[in-house]
Amino acid sequence: DIQMTQSLASLSASLEEVVTITCQASQDIGYWFAWYQQKPGKSPQLLIHSATSLADGIPSRFSGSRSGTQFSLKISRLQVEDTGIYYCLQRYSTPFTFGSGTKLEIK
Amino acid sequence: EVQLQQSGPEVGRPGSSVKISCKASGYTFTDYVMNWVKQSPGQGLEWIGWIDPEYGSTDYSEKFKKKATLTADTSSSTAYIHLNSLTSEDTATYFCTRDFGSRYFDYWGQGVMVTVSS
Repeated sequence: DIQMTQSLASLSASLEEVVTITCQASQDIGYWFAWYQQKPGKSPQLLIHSATSLADGIPSRFSGSRSGTQFSLKISRLQVEDTGIYYCLQRYSTPFTFGSGTKLEIK
Repeated sequence: EVQLQQSGPEVGRPGSSVKISCKASGYTFTDYVMNWVKQSPGQGLEWIGWIDPEYGSTDYSEKFKKKATLTADTSSSTAYIHLNSLTSEDTATYFCTRDFGSRYFDYWGQGVMVTVSS
């Protein structure tokens, strides 16, 4: 199985700050990769797909990048509504696997 | 507008089974594979498996092969997950989520909380 490692379990940052969340795949997964945001009691929401493409309706302050098997989600100017848990997903091969999540809070 | 409307919360006795539904609307049901994802309380996301509604073909995570059965009814555009032999480990929220182009999951249902309790 492909392991998706989000090394940061939690992150606290100030409003307007630049935030980067990372996810490492245990093997090459190409661009079969996505980022999701989940708020308490809600279903996950797609933010970034294909590693770098912004999902419909998602603010442009979110961006994704890929360097080999390392993936990053960048929030350029942190807003209050960006709090939540961020998960990565590999959809390259079954079983599809998620990272363990990074909880983002405002300082 | 694409919507995935899931059924209501379930309570099951240990050893019993439950069946959760996910009714799709706003798109052609048979054009997209449907995935199911489990989230235990306070935990992360686990992929259970997927079903192709057009052909009825399925694929499961090894962990859930004996636990879950995925089916789909094309006449009502509804996907189902049946969970058998319930234990406390099955207490969780279960999501259905549409698969887009074999690349990512785009739309999600609101989730169904299953509680296993005697």
